[in-house]
Amino acid sequence: GAGVSQSPRYKVAKRGQDVALRCDPISGHVSLFWYQQALGQGPEFLTYFQNEAQLDKSGLPSDRFFAERPEGSVSTLKIQRTQQEDSAVYLCASSARGGPSKTQYFGPGTRLLVL
Amino acid sequence: RKEVEQDPGPFNVPEGATVAFNCTYSNSASQSFFWYRQDCRKEPKLLMSVYSSGNEDGRFTAQLNRASQYISLLIRDSKLSDSATYLCVVGDNYGQNFVFGPGTRLSVLP
Repeated sequence: GAGVSQSPRYKVAKRGQDVALRCDPISGHVSLFWYQQALGQGPEFLTYFQNEAQLDKSGLPSDRFFAERPEGSVSTLKIQRTQQEDSAVYLCASSARGGPSKTQYFGPGTRLLVL
Repeated sequence: RKEVEQDPGPFNVPEGATVAFNCTYSNSASQSFFWYRQDCRKEPKLLMSVYSSGNEDGRFTAQLNRASQYISLLIRDSKLSDSATYLCVVGDNYGQNFVFGPGTRLSVLP
């Protein structure tokens, strides 16, 4: 079956521009996660949804970052007024209903470059 | 101190060698543990979950030491295709709140 997909795969933005990154999780997966991965680092948690409810947004670095999942499926991560430090790979992951050994399946990521 | 720490490497080993990575975590309440593999410019993929009793999957063996709060990964008879970054991941009891280590880079040389 289809895995997690993300679009666009690459995005170049001018500083100050708004961007929207899309994630299509695996069909039926309840949980959806967004991560930010800087070069040479592990992914850093941004936010987590269970169905349409955003249960944890503690990792969002500023109020310029906003995520939604209105129908409990597709999710969008929006970054307003992008800054150069926002340049990173943004990874989306989904998993089935929670449990101690639930695997998170990652999408290919969106590589964002802010000039 | 970071929640999950790993030696970034790189570990350069010849084919056929045995190599071991360690990872330490600071949150004693952590309940779920994983090793993910990430190839260059690709997404992380689950390599194996780590159970309290230790577990083995072919050439890969993972162990958990809760008392000392570290996780290990042993790769035997390493192959060229094992070259990647290995990410240690620690989570809560619900398989959520994943915290990733910075990764350890492995290069297996011919």
